[in-house]
Amino acid sequence: AQKITQTQPGMFVQEKEAVTLDCTYDTSDPSYGLFWYKQPSSGEMIFLIYQGSYDQQNATEGRYSLNFQKARKSANLVISASQLGDSAMYFCAMREKNLYNFNKFYFGSGTKLNVKP
Amino acid sequence: DAGVIQSPRHEVTEMGQEVTLRCKPISGHDYLFWYRQTMMRGLELLIYFNNNVPIDDSGMPEDRFSAKMPNASFSTLKIQPSEPRDSAVYFCASSFNARDRLYGYTFGSGTRLTVV
Repeated sequence: AQKITQTQPGMFVQEKEAVTLDCTYDTSDPSYGLFWYKQPSSGEMIFLIYQGSYDQQNATEGRYSLNFQKARKSANLVISASQLGDSAMYFCAMREKNLYNFNKFYFGSGTKLNVKP
Repeated sequence: DAGVIQSPRHEVTEMGQEVTLRCKPISGHDYLFWYRQTMMRGLELLIYFNNNVPIDDSGMPEDRFSAKMPNASFSTLKIQPSEPRDSAVYFCASSFNARDRLYGYTFGSGTRLTVV
């Protein structure tokens, strides 16, 4: 099974509207971390937001929030009030510990977001 | 802080040649990662180090690839001999494990490798 699944290869959103980027994950580790990264066309990877498996509240960071549904194993990224500069690839990632208690890291395939003026 | 520094930014080499990619992590970070990004395979974790020790190299594609971290401020990824299918963007990233919830993993600008 895929560890991180992003089912939306590409999405469009109108400027100033909110958009949700989907991410589901698969792990049996009770203590894991989930990350979202942004990769603009310039190529750099930018950390956006983090959600820990034990966090009681959904993570928020400015216009970014994470809709964390633990039972469903989903960690969707919500971007409010989209801006043209939000056009980029977005990656969901996970850190978990394996049977030998060392960290494993996984990235999803990404969602390309296009913000329309 | 200057961030994670990778060199070179671009590398074009001929098939069969040795290629060495370099990375300087952020000072104080205890994790260092090497990733490869291609259109076909997306982002793949090749290897990571914790406190200069290689922890998981299961992503290294084959024996042609090797990585070292001789000290906390420097790492190399070597491909010998290189092949056209190695063409990709190679990212180095570092993090401080205790703070990764705050700062995530900081990526370098990447090295775009083209093997002709």
